Amino acid sequence: DVKVTQSSRYLVKRTGEKVFLECVQDMDHENMFWYRQDPGLGLRLIYFSYDVKMKEKGDIPEGYSVSREKKERFSLILESASTNQTSMYLCASTRGLGAITDTQYFGPGTRLTVL
Amino acid sequence: AQSVTQLGSHVSVSEGALVLLRCNYSSSVPPYLFWYVQYPNQGLQLLLKYTSAATLVKGINGFEAEFKKSETSFHLTKPSAHMSDAAEYFCAVSGLTGGGNKLTFGTGTQLKVEL
Repeated sequence: DVKVTQSSRYLVKRTGEKVFLECVQDMDHENMFWYRQDPGLGLRLIYFSYDVKMKEKGDIPEGYSVSREKKERFSLILESASTNQTSMYLCASTRGLGAITDTQYFGPGTRLTVL
Repeated sequence: AQSVTQLGSHVSVSEGALVLLRCNYSSSVPPYLFWYVQYPNQGLQLLLKYTSAATLVKGINGFEAEFKKSETSFHLTKPSAHMSDAAEYFCAVSGLTGGGNKLTFGTGTQLKVEL
């Protein structure tokens, strides 16, 4: 059974803190994604990675960075958390280049609150 | 650029009634379209996808969707709603960018099923 796990379901941080969100997949997938989900806005792509150490900006990368040192792990970093980054964060993975019709598999999400 | 529009952020139906969730797409190339469902406090999971093999696509839990190029639509239907169908539904279009495929999501439709 395919699995994408995220390190925390709920997280509360203070403004200005550095925040790490971790995602791990066990399907040997090439591509991994970070989205944020906000009511009325759907899912918006923050960053994605199509290979180890490779990354590409999504639609809303400002205020975020990512790291992919190993194929199975993709980290989202908030360098200095702000209240407008309070959101649900979803990680997903899928097979490599050319698999345009492939299913994306999602983790359960991390609900981040920045106070 | 590709995009999808979901009409109706909230839809309410009675148990046993027809479910119709609307999705229209915009794409300059033949689109690959997806419907995902998100149950409360969970990540997204695939309901069904259109990959140009057949215009009527059947998915899990009795859902189906029909691709209509003339109407640029990919509406999701289910003949008889069940209480367990209450969830948020997202339409998405897939496209290649950089090194991999990415999904562009609609803003979601919250389905409520009433007794």
